[in-house]
Amino acid sequence: QSVLTQPPSASGTPGQRVTVSCSGSSSNIGRNTVNWYQQFPGTAPKLLIYKDNQRPSGVPDRFSGSKSGTSASLAISGLQSEDEADYYCAAWDDSPNVVVFGGGTKLTVL
Amino acid sequence: EVQLVESGGGLIQPGGSLRLSCAASGFTVSSNYMSWVRQAPGKGLEWVSVIDSGGRTYYADSVKGQFTMSRDNSKNTVFLQMNSLRAEDTAVYWCAREQGRGVITPYFDYWGQGILVTVSS
Repeated sequence: QSVLTQPPSASGTPGQRVTVSCSGSSSNIGRNTVNWYQQFPGTAPKLLIYKDNQRPSGVPDRFSGSKSGTSASLAISGLQSEDEADYYCAAWDDSPNVVVFGGGTKLTVL
Repeated sequence: EVQLVESGGGLIQPGGSLRLSCAASGFTVSSNYMSWVRQAPGKGLEWVSVIDSGGRTYYADSVKGQFTMSRDNSKNTVFLQMNSLRAEDTAVYWCAREQGRGVITPYFDYWGQGILVTVSS
């Protein structure tokens, strides 16, 4: 059972805008920033968003992050087939002072 | 170019020990925070441990007293000594460079390729 709650799956068609949600509590998302990672099968996660809505160099601006209260969202616009992957949110949790992850969302491009 | 290369994984019997290594290039580990993150088969990500630039280490409750993280500055390498291994420690382990700790939620900007640890008799 992950501390942060994500839907296990999401889907969209090419060109569509999809969002992945991440729900937490006042001890994590409510007080701390959120990061997002993209992971393809058999590979290491890749940092997609940090500090709620910041993109590392090289990440397309089709990917965006937002946060409100104790929930965060990752939005992918102009969905492409290569976006099919698992997406994980992460946040610092004040108790017990560790980074916690969501359970991951498998995004399927139909 | 930043690169992280893990080694030392494999099949180990319950109760056994393994030491994972993570050799870094393109930056200096002693000037950075370095973490280990793991993923059990078919499961999500779990942060395991971190060593900060001062050499202090912190662990997830699930491995505290069981795993020990260290580094060798001369080899620009970090290690994870894993003792008393259990089936639930079976996972792919990544080392990752960490940024932002103490200011924002730490994020992992560079990852190794991962190394599989299988604990089974």
